[in-house]
Amino acid sequence: GQQLNQSPQSMFIQEGEDVSMNCTSSSIFNTWLWYKQDPGEGPVLLIALYKAGELTSNGRLTAQFGITRKDSFLNISASIPSDVGIYFCAGLYYGGATNKLIFGTGTLLAVQP
Amino acid sequence: EAQVTQNPRYLITVTGKKLTVTCSQNMNHEYMSWYRQDPGLGLRQIYYSMNVEVTDKGDVPEGYKVSRKEKRNFPLILESPSPNQTSLYFCASSPRTGGSWDTEAFFGQGTRLTVV
Repeated sequence: GQQLNQSPQSMFIQEGEDVSMNCTSSSIFNTWLWYKQDPGEGPVLLIALYKAGELTSNGRLTAQFGITRKDSFLNISASIPSDVGIYFCAGLYYGGATNKLIFGTGTLLAVQP
Repeated sequence: EAQVTQNPRYLITVTGKKLTVTCSQNMNHEYMSWYRQDPGLGLRQIYYSMNVEVTDKGDVPEGYKVSRKEKRNFPLILESPSPNQTSLYFCASSPRTGGSWDTEAFFGQGTRLTVV
């Protein structure tokens, strides 16, 4: 089946540093999504990207939908301790009766105060 | 409060004993789905439903059943659970926007299932 390669698997950074993570795929997606999962909770949508080349910001978060539609990245600027969690990318394709969302394997982010 | 509610949050059961995990959403969303989360594998879709009485297999449907008799409810059924179904399960719902399906916007808090 389709797979999303998400990297890095984990990051351990100091508070105030910028963070970058990305996802690549062998398949084309219509939409790219980025989620954050806190311990003991379900994923929460951070940013959704709908068009190739689109660059979208949400506070300190910035994400881009790659031109080839096969990749996306997420940047977090000036990290703070509450940024700790697992970040997932997800690619969505839909057409007619088909609607599939594929998740990456996640990036574990640890922020040291 | 808009939410997706799963029950139970934690469940330990024995191999072969049928169980149901319930999922309910109060947002009138058309689209609902189930995922399982395993270490190193991320979230994998089990089943999804585009509307009442419309369900389809995701990537890992084996050993699971679902039903969508009402818009708000989407239970996950394990007829004969096995240890390899030990996992963290999430239900999600999403609205449909215009002519295309919207994104997965709301997840439940998860159900941690252990099959011994």
